[in-house]
Amino acid sequence: DMKVTQMPRYLIKRMGENVLLECGQDMSHETMYWYRQDPGLGLQLIYISYDVDSNSEGDIPKGYRVSRKKREHFSLILDSAKTNQTSVYFCASSLLQGSSYEQYFGPGTRLTVL
Amino acid sequence: KTQVEQSPQSLVVRQGENCVLQCNYSVTPDNHLRWFKQDTGKGLVSLTVLVDQKDKTSNGRYSATLDKDAKHSTLHITATLLDDTATYICVVGDRGSALGRLHFGAGTQLIVIP
Repeated sequence: DMKVTQMPRYLIKRMGENVLLECGQDMSHETMYWYRQDPGLGLQLIYISYDVDSNSEGDIPKGYRVSRKKREHFSLILDSAKTNQTSVYFCASSLLQGSSYEQYFGPGTRLTVL
Repeated sequence: KTQVEQSPQSLVVRQGENCVLQCNYSVTPDNHLRWFKQDTGKGLVSLTVLVDQKDKTSNGRYSATLDKDAKHSTLHITATLLDDTATYICVVGDRGSALGRLHFGAGTQLIVIP
């Protein structure tokens, strides 16, 4: 069963603290993503990783950085978290199926920055 | 500017009734369109993908249509169940490769009551 895992599921941090969100997948997918989801908005792409150490900015990369040292792990790092980074963060990985890429999503991490 | 608009924002139906969710978009090019189901506090799960200029798919009680000329898609849910309570998200992919971007709607919140 294809699976994307995220840790932690819930996190509360104070403004200015560092945050590390972890994502893992057991499908050997090359491409992985980090998104954030805010009420009333569609998911917004933060970063894409095409493979180990091959990362590209998404639509809202400011305030975030990523790390991918192994194909199965993709980390999202917030250096000095801000209150407007309170959100639900989703990791996904993708596989080409037919003529479209199938994306598999993790369960999300709910981050609150106080 | 939002490129994927979903309607209605929310919908309440009685168990056993049918419902129709709408998705209009302005994404160009529009390689494919996918409908996801998101249970509360969970990740997104793919229901169906549409790729052809005028396409129809069926997956159990879920059926979907796509008209690329009108840039419009519908998701039909037949004989709703309480477990259908979720947010349904329309996503348009602008390419059939990992280099493409996904454009997410904000979702329709469906509530099924007994």
